[in-house]
Amino acid sequence: QVTLKESGPGILQPSQTLSLTCTFSGFSLSTYGMGVGWIRQPSGKGLEWLANIWWDDDKYYNPSLKNRLTISKDTSNNQAFLKITNVDTADTATYYCARLNYYSGAHWFAYWGQGTLVTVSS
Amino acid sequence: DIQMTQSPASLSASLGETVSIECLASEDIYNNLAWYQQKPGKSPQFLIYYASSLQDGVPSRFSGSGSGTQYSLKINSLESEDAATYFCLQDSEYPWTFGGGTKLELK
Repeated sequence: QVTLKESGPGILQPSQTLSLTCTFSGFSLSTYGMGVGWIRQPSGKGLEWLANIWWDDDKYYNPSLKNRLTISKDTSNNQAFLKITNVDTADTATYYCARLNYYSGAHWFAYWGQGTLVTVSS
Repeated sequence: DIQMTQSPASLSASLGETVSIECLASEDIYNNLAWYQQKPGKSPQFLIYYASSLQDGVPSRFSGSGSGTQYSLKINSLESEDAATYFCLQDSEYPWTFGGGTKLELK
């Protein structure tokens, strides 16, 4: 059974660095074709893809966040991480991690965590 | 970036009806499109990948189709549990981009 769970600070102040952890089970990030992605959703709004990390440590970022993102993984402990530097109120959202599948050129977010709400406020 | 224009933004339908939701890509995405369902207060659930391949366990009343820049999600014989917001996601090219969502309400 695949599960993912996000954890984060809940609330932080503008200009701080947001650190998110995705702890998962039921798969390994060292297995070919596996990946973890991060997606966020401001309250009442749509979804925004942020970053992906793959089994081979390939990483991809959304350039709209202007180099503020860093994604990483700890394969031994079944965790993936996302850091966002210099946050402001526009980063207030629910942050999801999701397991990525890759097969024959297609990719998809097969399983999602429950999400963690992050509020940026002074 | 590839823009995904999803329509309609909302729709209302009755139990048993059939509805279609469209996603239009700003360029050819070569069937690299997935569909997700999100119920209020819940995380998205994966429905379809590669435009038309149904995830295991997803009811067969859901189907996806399309090619090039135009894709659609069709839901036959609507059931009450289908009330949700639906999103498309293109994974053809980074940055991956979502459609704006379609809120489906059951009358």
